[in-house]
Amino acid sequence: GENVEQHPSTLSVQEGDSAVIKCTYSDSASNYFPWYKQELGKGPQLIIDIRSNVGEKKDQRIAVTLNKTAKHFSLHITETQPEDSAVYFCAASWGAQKLVFGQGTRLTINP
Amino acid sequence: DTGVSQDPRHKITKRGQNVTFRCDPISEHNRLYWYRQTLGQGPEFLTYFQNEAQLEKSRLLSDRFSAERPKGSFSTLEIQRTEQGDSAMYLCASSKADTQYFGPGTRLTVL
Repeated sequence: GENVEQHPSTLSVQEGDSAVIKCTYSDSASNYFPWYKQELGKGPQLIIDIRSNVGEKKDQRIAVTLNKTAKHFSLHITETQPEDSAVYFCAASWGAQKLVFGQGTRLTINP
Repeated sequence: DTGVSQDPRHKITKRGQNVTFRCDPISEHNRLYWYRQTLGQGPEFLTYFQNEAQLEKSRLLSDRFSAERPKGSFSTLEIQRTEQGDSAMYLCASSKADTQYFGPGTRLTVL
């Protein structure tokens, strides 16, 4: 079955700097790759997603890139702000099937 | 859309008791998913419904767990004879395509 690896497990950046989180997946059949932000005590909140027919997608300060050949995808957050501090999860699925999540990255933005 | 709702938000029970959780998906979402999340980990898939049909169950879902979605709208997840290892956040998500939207979760503590 699918396996998703996520790195780093913790990331600390200065406010205003960029943050990058990377994930690799094992199943070449996976075609949908969402990213979720989770704050303490809350459910995961979708922040951006990408499908396998696209190599890059951007939404304001957030961008995701996908390399199907290497089976990895990355989340890029620019101009980080204190409210970006949270745990971020990548995931992979085939169509509307179950999501397989990475282990999470705890992002801390230092003022 | 009012979002995915879950009830209760917190449940404390004694080992051996039965518990039931409810999930109300976003209206018109025909797919509903249950995940379990333990501290410091990503969500893990438990089971998935399309309308009222339960299409997939994880090996994590022992015979003490049962899920239903009788009319293709809300869903319930029951855990019988709870064990301390069942302590976790139980998350529900819904979708009408590949994008899954999560509820706030039910945190279960088994004493």
